[in-house]
Amino acid sequence: NAGVTQTPKFRVLKTGQSMTLLCAQDMNHEYMYWYRQDPGMGLRLIHYSVGEGTTAKGEVPDGYNVSRLKKQNFLLGLESAAPSQTSVYFCASSYAYRLERGAGNEQFFGPGTRLTVL
Amino acid sequence: EDQVTQSPEALRLQEGESSSLNCSYTVSGLRGLFWYRQDPGKGPEFLFTLYSAGEEKEKERLKATLTKKESFLHITAPKPEDSATYLCAVQTPYGGATNKLIFGTGTLLAVQP
Repeated sequence: NAGVTQTPKFRVLKTGQSMTLLCAQDMNHEYMYWYRQDPGMGLRLIHYSVGEGTTAKGEVPDGYNVSRLKKQNFLLGLESAAPSQTSVYFCASSYAYRLERGAGNEQFFGPGTRLTVL
Repeated sequence: EDQVTQSPEALRLQEGESSSLNCSYTVSGLRGLFWYRQDPGKGPEFLFTLYSAGEEKEKERLKATLTKKESFLHITAPKPEDSATYLCAVQTPYGGATNKLIFGTGTLLAVQP
């Protein structure tokens, strides 16, 4: 089991360029998430998906788009990169919510993508 | 507004010197409190979930406890390999059936030999 994988690991963009970050999971998880992590800010949710073909906005969605065409993949797009989007991006996945305690509602994270926008 | 606060921001210990990290939360309701460990340049790694006040969970030198307003991560006789950033996060009913997490900013732990 590879768990959650992310590509690329590093990327440098110029302002205005576009790119797509790919997240893949092999745990058959229903839910997937994209976060960004900045010094002193903690992990902040960008977008998430509770199933194939569905996406929703998180805390900081502006400037990003996502797609979940297949259950195991979750793509994060930057249409016109800005220096404020310089960050480390993490993808995570989890099973669908279960009411019973101890049911494993935790999220599993990928290794991250370090993005610099000049 | 739901909020998670971790303290201290950074902690330096000598090997074998036990201590505790704090995670306090003000939320509309608690479904679960999660602890993660994050090593430099890596993604967070899941440690524990706590669901109700009084609950405790242990793993090697780590023990997590939960009260109605805060959680503690106790580190007993730490080793240099315990050095990492420890993240606390909560799930609330406001998030619906999404498993969304609200994270604190973490405690950077350094254990010196």
